[in-house]
Amino acid sequence: GEDVEQSLFLSVREGDSSVINCTYTDSSSTYLYWYKQEPGAGLQLLTYIFSNMDMKQDQRLTVLLNKKDKHLSLRIADTQTGDSAIYFCAESKSGNTPLVFGKGTRLSVIA
Amino acid sequence: DSGVTQTPKHLITATGQRVTLRCSPRSGDLSVYWYQQSLDQGLQFLIQYYNGEERAKGNILERFSAQQFPDLHSELNLSSLELGDSALYFCASSVDGGRMIGELFFGEGSRLTVL
Repeated sequence: GEDVEQSLFLSVREGDSSVINCTYTDSSSTYLYWYKQEPGAGLQLLTYIFSNMDMKQDQRLTVLLNKKDKHLSLRIADTQTGDSAIYFCAESKSGNTPLVFGKGTRLSVIA
Repeated sequence: DSGVTQTPKHLITATGQRVTLRCSPRSGDLSVYWYQQSLDQGLQFLIQYYNGEERAKGNILERFSAQQFPDLHSELNLSSLELGDSALYFCASSVDGGRMIGELFFGEGSRLTVL
């Protein structure tokens, strides 16, 4: 079945790196995503990774995928106060199926 | 601004009532998704429409229904409301049913409070 799990809270100091972790259970997931939800707003796609990749880097964001352990992580380098938000991990089997989201990790950045 | 418009932004109603939430997708997007976000359940997929037809169904209660009209806007109807239906309801759209990279564009949500 499909189930995506994340820790609910993470607090980091400004300038440090943040690592948000996610585990999923569906080994047939083809696409894995990170979405960001700022206060009072809808979700916005941050980045995604195909299941045949191990790592993807995009500016301050690094996504690591461990298919064997079904573990996905999002690293934010030099975390800023503007990064405070809820981060959702999501999976999809084919990109043509609705995304299954985790409950979200609330990141708080302390100045 | 994602380009997805949801109305109303806030809605307060009583148990047993019926409400309709409306969504206008981004221009050109054929697919509309409805999600329910609550504190305990997180973001739950309800239903997806593609070019007017139902494409996928998730954890949508029988008291809830949706449709997508020829102009591609969508409505989510919630009836016989219960306290537990209080949540933030998101609409999202994508170009082709999410076949490519699954990028969904979310509206700002409709917050429903059932008293």
